[in-house]
Amino acid sequence: GENVEQHPSTLSVQEGDSAVIKCTYSDSASNYFPWYKQELGKRPQLIIDIRSNVGEKKDQRIAVTLNKTAKHFSLHITETQPEDSAVYFCAAMPPEGSYIPTFGRGTSLIVHP
Amino acid sequence: DAGITQSPRYKITETGRQVTLMCHQTWSHSYMFWYRQDLGHGLRLIYYSAAADITDKGEVPDGYVVSRSKTENFPLTLESATRSQTSVYFCASSQTSGKGEQYFGPGTRLTVT
Repeated sequence: GENVEQHPSTLSVQEGDSAVIKCTYSDSASNYFPWYKQELGKRPQLIIDIRSNVGEKKDQRIAVTLNKTAKHFSLHITETQPEDSAVYFCAAMPPEGSYIPTFGRGTSLIVHP
Repeated sequence: DAGITQSPRYKITETGRQVTLMCHQTWSHSYMFWYRQDLGHGLRLIYYSAAADITDKGEVPDGYVVSRSKTENFPLTLESATRSQTSVYFCASSQTSGKGEQYFGPGTRLTVT
């Protein structure tokens, strides 16, 4: 089955810096890669996603890049703000017909004011 | 987000007791999932359901039972609670007509004493 590795487990940055979280996956057939943000005490919520036919997607200060050859994808947050502090989960989804994602273990991002 | 709810939100029970966590969604999503979240382990899939009356095991099913007699409900039962089942439990749903992104419930914090 699919295996998703996520690094780092903890990331501490100063406000205004950039943050990068990386994930690797094992199943080359996976074709959908969502990122979820979970604030303290809250539910995970989708913040950005990318399909395998796209190399990069951007939404304001966040972006996701995908390298299918190397089987890794990354979340980039620019100009970090304290409200970006949360746990971020990456996931990999197999092709249509199976809607069971495999999640990474999460990255705790701390943005210091 | 209001379309998927969980009850109770907090529960304290004793070892050996049976406890049922409820999950209800109003979107008629085909897929529903139960995860447990423990520090250092991210989101671990307990059980999932592709449709009413269709359920299957996830990564950590031991000690849990599910049923899905109606599309909108997906209860999770701990038959004989153990301290190792102390955790935060999230229910989620997804639709097959979309990309497969997951919508999470608010979570249930369960403590087994």
